[in-house]
Amino acid sequence: GESVGLHLPTLSVQEGDNSIINCAYSNSASDYFIWYKQESGKGPQFIIDIRSNMDKRQGQRVTVLLNKTVKHLSLQIAATQPGDSAVYFCAETGQAGTALIFGKGTTLSVSS
Amino acid sequence: NAGVTQTPKFRILKIGQSMTLQCTQDMNHNYMYWYRQDPGMGLKLIYYSVGAGITDKGEVPNGYNVSRSTTEDFPLRLELAAPSQTSVYFCASLRVLQNTGELFFGEGSRLTVL
Repeated sequence: GESVGLHLPTLSVQEGDNSIINCAYSNSASDYFIWYKQESGKGPQFIIDIRSNMDKRQGQRVTVLLNKTVKHLSLQIAATQPGDSAVYFCAETGQAGTALIFGKGTTLSVSS
Repeated sequence: NAGVTQTPKFRILKIGQSMTLQCTQDMNHNYMYWYRQDPGMGLKLIYYSVGAGITDKGEVPNGYNVSRSTTEDFPLRLELAAPSQTSVYFCASLRVLQNTGELFFGEGSRLTVL
């Protein structure tokens, strides 16, 4: 199954489910968006990014969707695994060279 | 390549002391950032730089200073340490290509002010 919603601080899923983590951004001029994963006690780890000239970008088991109309970004994780348990952050920046601002994180918990 | 290197990894300061967190990247990235992360919280941008000689304030710049005399180095200075500056500090550099990019983080510097 899937879990979808506007920004939620926590998301709990079963192993093998698909996960969707959402992020709303405020700056309509934002041009570049990044998703990061942070495991407990570790630094942020890059997952995937997308430029504003794209609506969708796929990686390995992850897909990022960008809806500029409603200023909404989502990260889809297919076949979620226990190793995906972490805090996920989205980040946005305007034209290259401006501040890169991180949103509030969503804690993903995956149970076996 | 070493990527982004931060030093020190851990430091304890007394109130009112000063120190500099060092950050160096060997990837020739123009964009560099300093973030702080409080326990259980997200990353807050302190300062950033779009190139040598250029720095700008982020979301939480008070109590900090930075300089960017070279492309490689972006040190963060705390002049009068306060307990509110107890946090984990991350330095990052950004590579932006036409349709993609990647933000590289250092391993973090854990600072405690007592």
